[in-house]
Amino acid sequence: DAKTTQPNSMESNEEEPVHLPCNHSTISGTDYIHWYRQLPSQGPEYVIHGLTSNVNNRMASLAIAEDRKSSTLILHRATLRDAAVYYCILRDRGAGSYQLTFGKGTKLSVIP
Amino acid sequence: EPEVTQTPSHQVTQMGQEVILRCVPISNHLYFYWYRQILGQKVEFLVSFYNNEISEKSEIFDDQFSVERPDGSNFTLKIRSTKLEDSAMYFCASSGGGFLNEQFFGPGTRLTVL
Repeated sequence: DAKTTQPNSMESNEEEPVHLPCNHSTISGTDYIHWYRQLPSQGPEYVIHGLTSNVNNRMASLAIAEDRKSSTLILHRATLRDAAVYYCILRDRGAGSYQLTFGKGTKLSVIP
Repeated sequence: EPEVTQTPSHQVTQMGQEVILRCVPISNHLYFYWYRQILGQKVEFLVSFYNNEISEKSEIFDDQFSVERPDGSNFTLKIRSTKLEDSAMYFCASSGGGFLNEQFFGPGTRLTVL
């Protein structure tokens, strides 16, 4: 999988929007951008994924740069339950692999 | 909402012993996975399983490890002759099929090797 770069940690105030960045300058045309998160003492949890267009679901929005070299996960109103490590993962559809390759992710702290 | 379950939640074993970690994936899922996370480190892929056989495995998944789907519901990870460095959280996951299907993770089994 192509490499991603995320900040080690970020802080947000409760009920404020949060923008979690991810750089993936070596992304290929068949790489999908996936986000998972891991709440404390739990297994990872799927958040969202996209290829080229921005995506929205009930948990978050994913904004993908036009050149696809970066993306941003947007939590519209952070809650205490959103405190977690967020992982940006590239998955190459052409590689025939279903495994997820986790990096260190961004640890999000939410301040009440 | 369907979920992946894992038992036990915590397993303590002596070095050299064999352990079996159990998982019940979501019932209509076709792909099954094991990952592990050593304390303070990244989540690492171990193995994926589809159609009753291993479809992918990492370098970590050597002859010490094996997986099995003994019946229609359980998915197990066996670790033979455990070592101190096998101490980790082991997560089972399942997905419905298709590359883009999300993987659903269980709560994990904490394995402590003494």
